[in-house]
Amino acid sequence: DQQVKQNSPSLSVQEGRISILNCDYTNSMFDYFLWYKKYPAEGPTFLISISSIKDKNEDGRFTVFLNKSAKHLSLHIVPSQPGDSAVYFCAAKYGAAGNKLTFGGGTRVLVKP
Amino acid sequence: DTAVSQTPKYLVTQMGNDKSIKCEQNLGHDTMYWYKQDSKKFLKIMFSYNNKELIINETVPNRFSPKSPDKAHLNLHINSLELGDSAVYFCASSQGTGEAQPQHFGDGTRLSIL
Repeated sequence: DQQVKQNSPSLSVQEGRISILNCDYTNSMFDYFLWYKKYPAEGPTFLISISSIKDKNEDGRFTVFLNKSAKHLSLHIVPSQPGDSAVYFCAAKYGAAGNKLTFGGGTRVLVKP
Repeated sequence: DTAVSQTPKYLVTQMGNDKSIKCEQNLGHDTMYWYKQDSKKFLKIMFSYNNKELIINETVPNRFSPKSPDKAHLNLHINSLELGDSAVYFCASSQGTGEAQPQHFGDGTRLSIL
C-alpha cells in the first residue's frame, strides 16, 4: 500500500535546463512534505520541505509546489547542474504520527553536461 | 566530523546468525530512527526513539530489537537473520518530532545474508 508514489523512476535533463520531479500521495492526512536527495553509498540529505498550508516554497534553485486538491507535489530545479545528478525521494508525514516519514520510491535524475 | 555515523558500513553474514548495527549522532538531537531500504529501494521506518523512549514501532519482526543507551546512540540488534533481512539499514536523527525538524541520515549499513 504505497501512500507516496513517484511514478517516474528516472529523468534525464540537459545542464542549465529545468528538472521537474513529481510525487503523488493518497493519504489526505499528510500535512508536511519533504524532498531528500541521495548520492550512491550515502544517506539521504534533506533538500526542501513544504507545509500543507502553503502551495509553494522556494530555496535557491529549488522550488516545491503543492496541489492539495490533486494530492500532488513537484520539485523544480532551475538551472540543473551536473552535481544535481542523484536519486530524489519525496516524503510525507502528518502531525498525529509524530515524525514518521513515508517515502516514495525515488526518481533518479541525470544531468548531462 | 560525521553527524550521524553507522558501523559497520558493510555486513556479510550467514543465515541464522545474530548481528548488531551501531549508530551514533553528534548533532545533539533527541530523536533517532532506523529505516530499512529494501531491494525495491523503498525507505521504510522501523523504529524511533525520543530521549531513549520508543515512540514509533512499525510492524517489524520481534527478531529486531532497538536499544538506546543514551539519546546520542541507537543500536539495532537482529536475531536469527533471514535471507529477507538483506537490505540497507539507515539510521537518522532529528531535534524533536515537529514538522520543521528534518531528519539527518547516516550513510547506511548494507547487510547481506548468505
